[in-house]
Amino acid sequence: DADVTQTPRNRITKTGKRIMLECSQTKGHDRMYWYRQDPGLGLRLIYYSFDVKDINKGEISDGYSVSRQAQAKFSLSLESAIPNQTALYFCATSDSSEGNTEAFFGQGTRLTVV
Amino acid sequence: SQELEQSPQSLIVQEGKNLTINCTSSKTLYGLYWYKQKYGEGLIFLMMLQKGGEEKSHEKITAKLDEKKQQSSLHITASQPSHAGIYLCGADAGGYQKVTFGTGTKLQVIP
Repeated sequence: DADVTQTPRNRITKTGKRIMLECSQTKGHDRMYWYRQDPGLGLRLIYYSFDVKDINKGEISDGYSVSRQAQAKFSLSLESAIPNQTALYFCATSDSSEGNTEAFFGQGTRLTVV
Repeated sequence: SQELEQSPQSLIVQEGKNLTINCTSSKTLYGLYWYKQKYGEGLIFLMMLQKGGEEKSHEKITAKLDEKKQQSSLHITASQPSHAGIYLCGADAGGYQKVTFGTGTKLQVIP
């Protein structure tokens, strides 16, 4: 099983619908992140959480919300989806106890808003 | 906010050729990460650089962080089709692992 699991892997939704993307990890890491990837724009940080009670906005948080239900779970919600939120979304985790180390990424969720 | 610019944006090379990808930051880099992404998939960690002048290698991939810690280069020796993908540099802007990413370099290796 993957260390960082994102569900669903693919989703098509209509404009105005509420949608939730879920992320769970088995690595025991305290830090979790949500990024979106658009062609030509690399990855942009949406929200990040350093522990269950610490949630912070990233570069592009407008139109998104998150919930850290447990150390292992971090979900991303689009309250009212719009077409320009069509993108590839990645969840990532890292461990603060080891200083600056790598982030582990999920396989991504491809979201299409029509 | 920290901005990372990668060059080139895309690269097509013949198998066996060497290549270099650059990542330039608008600010001092506290931690510089290189990742590889296969098209439409997750990111695979390659290496992390922290100290000015630091150089690391993994198989045929070498990355270096310059002395001023504002630019990093990734060099692939004797490229193979398995090296194809998107290479992304990421930087830890303030030492808190809030990593921002460059725009990526798309590499194609022609057999």
